[in-house]
Amino acid sequence: DIQMTQSPSTLSASVGDRVTITCRASQSIRTWLAWFQQKPGKAPKLLIYKASILESGVPSRFSGSGSATEFTLIISSLQPDDFATYYCQQYNSYGPWTFGQGTRVEIK
Amino acid sequence: EVQLVESGGGLVQPGRSLRLSCAASGFTFADFAMHWVRQVPGKGLEWVSGITWNGGTIDYADSVKGRFTISRDNAKKSLSLQMNSLRPEDTALYYCAKAAMATLFQGAPDYWGQGTLVTVSS
Repeated sequence: DIQMTQSPSTLSASVGDRVTITCRASQSIRTWLAWFQQKPGKAPKLLIYKASILESGVPSRFSGSGSATEFTLIISSLQPDDFATYYCQQYNSYGPWTFGQGTRVEIK
Repeated sequence: EVQLVESGGGLVQPGRSLRLSCAASGFTFADFAMHWVRQVPGKGLEWVSGITWNGGTIDYADSVKGRFTISRDNAKKSLSLQMNSLRPEDTALYYCAKAAMATLFQGAPDYWGQGTLVTVSS
């Protein structure tokens, strides 16, 4: 199975900060990558799919980039509602879905 | 509005069985693959099982293969997960997730239910 590695595991930031989360795949997944936001007690919410396409209704301060094995999620100006845990996920058609271990974005 | 509502979770002893269900609404259920994903409280996400739009292709995580069975009823817009020979390590919140495509792994999970908690303990 394809392994997904996120960094950092925890990130402390302030409102207004630019936040960058990295996700690496153990082999090329082209752009078959999604990003999710999860708040305590809630289900994951899809933010970005196909590495860079913003899901409908997601604020434009979220953006994704990358291909093959290196991917990035950027929050351009962190808002109070953005403090949460973020997961990357690969959905390469040749194998099962796998997720990164998560990045918790906490208030500095 | 897409809605996925899981049910069937609870406390069960090791070695026993449990059947989870997911009721879908707000979209054409028969057009999309469906999956189960679990999460130990406070931990990460683990894919468990998936089924294509017509049930023609099914897959399982190695950790549940041979013990869990996924199925769907398109007429009833329902997804199920039969879990046998449960182990303490199966304890988790189980989410039903809709894929964005009909094929098994090619679409990202674009909608999730709120989950149903399974606790395996004596």
